[in-house]
Amino acid sequence: DAKTTQPNSMESNEEEPVHLPCNHSTISGTDYIHWYRQLPSQGPEYVIHGLTSNVNNRMASLAIAEDRKSSTLILHRATLRDAAVYYCILRDVSDQAGTALIFGKGTTLSVSS
Amino acid sequence: DAGITQSPRYKITETGRQVTLMCHQTWSHSYMFWYRQDLGHGLRLIYYSAAADITDKGEVPDGYVVSRSKTENFPLTLESATRSQTSVYFCASRSSGANVLTFGAGSRLTVL
Repeated sequence: DAKTTQPNSMESNEEEPVHLPCNHSTISGTDYIHWYRQLPSQGPEYVIHGLTSNVNNRMASLAIAEDRKSSTLILHRATLRDAAVYYCILRDVSDQAGTALIFGKGTTLSVSS
Repeated sequence: DAGITQSPRYKITETGRQVTLMCHQTWSHSYMFWYRQDLGHGLRLIYYSAAADITDKGEVPDGYVVSRSKTENFPLTLESATRSQTSVYFCASRSSGANVLTFGAGSRLTVL
């Protein structure tokens, strides 16, 4: 599986935008980019995913580099409730065998008021 | 209630005892997964299942046994618990062809 690299930690202030980077230089053409987050004492939850084009949903935006070797999760206005560990994960779209997403250590986001 | 539930949420046991962690989902998702989470290791896949009666090993399967006799249930058994299996265990599921995993709230297991 292609690997991802994320910073161990980032800090933000409340109501400011947050850009969480992810490098995936060995990504293949059939890999989707997924983002999950894990709030304290909870299970991970889905945030967003994309293949080539930028994606938006109610939680966040995903900006994918043109060469797809990196991506950025954008939280437009951070709140204290966004403090979590954010995981960037690749999953091959052609994988029909049901293999699971492989989680790394993610980025721990701290949000200050 | 619809969703994915894990039980027990907290369990303390002793070395050598058998422990079973339960996972139940109400969506009839084909795929189910067990992860463990330890400080410094993130989430690691133990076992997964593509359908009833179909299971496969993940990254760290040693010391664990799973079964999937019904689509909605995916129990994880530690046949002889060891201290190194002290961890938080997460169950997850997704439907066939879907991209999104949904996780349970976790089961915190302590082996003394």
